[in-house]
Amino acid sequence: GENVEQHPSTLSVQEGDSAVIKCTYSDSASNYFPWYKQELGKGPQLIIDIRSNVGEKKDQRIAVTLNKTAKHFSLHITETQPEDSAVYFCAASHRDDKIIFGKGTRLHILP
Amino acid sequence: DAMVIQNPRYQVTQFGKPVTLSCSQTLNHNVMYWYQQKSSQAPKLLFHYYDKDFNNEADTPDNFQSRRPNTSFCFLDIRSPGLGDAAMYLCATSRGGGKLFFGSGTQLSVL
Repeated sequence: GENVEQHPSTLSVQEGDSAVIKCTYSDSASNYFPWYKQELGKGPQLIIDIRSNVGEKKDQRIAVTLNKTAKHFSLHITETQPEDSAVYFCAASHRDDKIIFGKGTRLHILP
Repeated sequence: DAMVIQNPRYQVTQFGKPVTLSCSQTLNHNVMYWYQQKSSQAPKLLFHYYDKDFNNEADTPDNFQSRRPNTSFCFLDIRSPGLGDAAMYLCATSRGGGKLFFGSGTQLSVL
């Protein structure tokens, strides 16, 4: 089955700097890669996703890149703000009804 | 607002005492999921329903059961909770296409 590895497990960046979180997946058939943000005491919320027919997608300060050959994808957050502090999960799927998550990255935005 | 609602927010049960967690949705999504999330870990898929079709993950313990009496409701039954079952239980829905909408979760404690 699919296995998703995520790095780093913890990331601290100065407010205003960029943050990058990287994930790799094992199943070459995977074709959908969402990113979720989980704040304390809440369920995860989808922030951006990408399908395997594109290499990059951007939404304001957030972007995701996908390298299908290398089977890795990354989340980029620019101009980080205090409200970006949360746990971020990458995920992968080759069936729309089964999503497998990485172990998460705890992002701290330092003042 | 359309949403995924989980009750209760916190549940305390005794070792071996059956417990039921509930989830309802107003999104009219045909897919519903149950995930288990332990502290600082990725959400782990337990099972999901595609309409009435039940899909059990191979490594989901027999101690866990699920019911979906209609489109809006889904229940997670833990027949004999052990200390290792203490976790956050997340319900999610999807209309297909892979985008999950999560509830806020039920934090289960086992005494």
